[in-house]
Amino acid sequence: GENVEQHPSTLSVQEGDSAVIKCTYSDSASNYFPWYKQELGKRPQLIIDIRSNVGEKKDQRIAVTLNKTAKHFSLHITETQPEDSAVYFCAASYGNNRLAFGKGNQVVVIP
Amino acid sequence: NAGVTQTPKFRVLKTGQSMTLLCAQDMNHEYMYWYRQDPGMGLRLIHYSVGEGTTAKGEVPDGYNVSRLKKQNFLLGLESAAPSQTSVYFCASSYSRREPQHFGDGTRLSIL
Repeated sequence: GENVEQHPSTLSVQEGDSAVIKCTYSDSASNYFPWYKQELGKRPQLIIDIRSNVGEKKDQRIAVTLNKTAKHFSLHITETQPEDSAVYFCAASYGNNRLAFGKGNQVVVIP
Repeated sequence: NAGVTQTPKFRVLKTGQSMTLLCAQDMNHEYMYWYRQDPGMGLRLIHYSVGEGTTAKGEVPDGYNVSRLKKQNFLLGLESAAPSQTSVYFCASSYSRREPQHFGDGTRLSIL
């Protein structure tokens, strides 16, 4: 099956700075890579996703980059704000129908 | 449009009891999933369904059963609850395999 790893496990940034979370995956057949944000006690919510035919995608302050050769993809958050504090999960598709999730990164934005 | 609705939101069981968690979606999605979330473990897939009348095992299926009798509903059953099944359970649905999964609010289950 697919194995997805996230680094670092916890990330603290000053408000206004950028945050970068990197994920690696093992299955070269993976072709869909979503990122979810989960606030304490809430449901995971999709914030951005990328498919394997694209190398980068941006949505306002959030961007995702994909390097298929190296089998890693990264989430970039610019101009961080306190409301960006949450746990972020990356995922990669595998098999025909499933997603494998990383263990999550706790992002803390310090005002 | 309610999205994905899970019931109940909280439940406490005794070891050996059985129960069913209900997931309902109103987005006409074909794919539905049950995950469990434990501290430091991320989301682990229990069972999933690619359409009405179909189910398949995920990563951690032991001790659970599922049914998808109607397209909009996906039920997760615990036959004989064990303390190791204490967790937060999330249901999700998606239109297709390369489309985003939409999650419900979760069910917090404690087994004593």
